Amino acid sequence: KNEVEQSPQNLTAQEGEFITINCSYSVGISALHWLQQHPGGGIVSLFMLSSGKKKHGRLIATINIQEKHSSLHITASHPRDSAVYICAVPSYSGGGADGLTFGKGTHLIIQP
Amino acid sequence: ETGVTQSPTHLIKTRGQQVTLRCSSQSGHNTVSWYQQALGQGPQFIFQYYREEENGRGNFPPRFSGLQFPNYSSELNVNALELDDSALYLCASSLPGLSSYEQYFGPGTRLTVT
Repeated sequence: KNEVEQSPQNLTAQEGEFITINCSYSVGISALHWLQQHPGGGIVSLFMLSSGKKKHGRLIATINIQEKHSSLHITASHPRDSAVYICAVPSYSGGGADGLTFGKGTHLIIQP
Repeated sequence: ETGVTQSPTHLIKTRGQQVTLRCSSQSGHNTVSWYQQALGQGPQFIFQYYREEENGRGNFPPRFSGLQFPNYSSELNVNALELDDSALYLCASSLPGLSSYEQYFGPGTRLTVT
């Protein structure tokens, strides 16, 4: 079963700073999800990526399948980016019907 | 295109009672997964339904059961509630194949068991 490690667990930064959140997993996969969860619980899917890099606005996600590692970057961070960021991968290398395994999340606070 | 919706938003139940949570999938999605998220933890996979059949299950006891309907909406039923069942319950819909398709999450139902 896949194991997911995220770092850091908590991150406080000043508005405008460049943010990096890291995710490592143990079993080879074909795609990884980055999710955002705000206070109150709702989860929003930010990215699903299987190789290289994806960019959406100020968010950039990269993945290295060989090294089993992904990073989420936020450029020009803003207080509204404050949330918990979670990476998730298929629980087993075959994907399929075994659900996602989630990291414990990175609690990000951006101070004005 | 409508998003994933869940009802109710919040729920308080007493230990030993039964509860039913509901999820309406993203339009066109025939796969739904349910997750339990305890406070301060990442979500844990409960089970997945595809075309009205359970086709995957996590490490949860049989008192957690589900249904998926022909319109792909879904229910999560929990019998004999325990205090540890207090959590946020999330459903996520997708096209088949977690490795290939994006998961669309609902806002969650927060269940408190007293």
